Amino acid sequence: DTGVSQDPRHKITKRGQNVTFRCDPISEHNRLYWYRQTLGQGPEFLTYFQNEAQLEKSRLLSDRFSAERPKGSFSTLEIQRTEQGDSAMYLCASSLGLAAGELFFGEGSRLTVL
Amino acid sequence: DQQVKQNSPSLSVQEGRISILNCDYTNSMFDYFLWYKKYPAEGPTFLISISSIKDKNEDGRFTVFLNKSAKHLSLHIVPSQPGDSAVYFCAASAHTGNQFYFGTGTSLTVIP
Repeated sequence: DTGVSQDPRHKITKRGQNVTFRCDPISEHNRLYWYRQTLGQGPEFLTYFQNEAQLEKSRLLSDRFSAERPKGSFSTLEIQRTEQGDSAMYLCASSLGLAAGELFFGEGSRLTVL
Repeated sequence: DQQVKQNSPSLSVQEGRISILNCDYTNSMFDYFLWYKKYPAEGPTFLISISSIKDKNEDGRFTVFLNKSAKHLSLHIVPSQPGDSAVYFCAASAHTGNQFYFGTGTSLTVIP
């Protein structure tokens, strides 16, 4: 399977715990995006990387959210001290090129905070 | 601030008929538009795109129309099939920008 893969697909955690999601993009894609989607809404942009550089992170929802892409390949999204409002689907997407282009999405990681 | 709007949350169409899904945007800098289809518990799947240099793009049963002066685009599916039942999102970006803005989606049901 050469598509975007995300792990885990579903995470249930207690409020206050930290969670980390991993995304493996399509191998030749240099751009990687994180989006969040809540019920009844469209995907909401969080951050993106071009290769290993995080070029936009102002949309991360709070300082509890952080993302890395250390070698320009896979990426992780960490949420510290989770809150119930963090419950959502976290989507990763990748694309090829220097400008915004067609995004290929993974199947998402669903977070449930109890 | 919702820069991309899909004002119809749901649409039902008979199999074989045309489905028309609409999308409006507010940012005049947007010049690249995508449509995605999403099944429950899956990530969005790319359907078709259009850039602002065109006013129509066709791919099989799917056609996207862009009206730049009205800041409006539409996705036509003809003929509609039951397997087309899903949520459809439109997304927009500026070529100078770094992200896509998504609408809230339209849930299409194709009735056999």
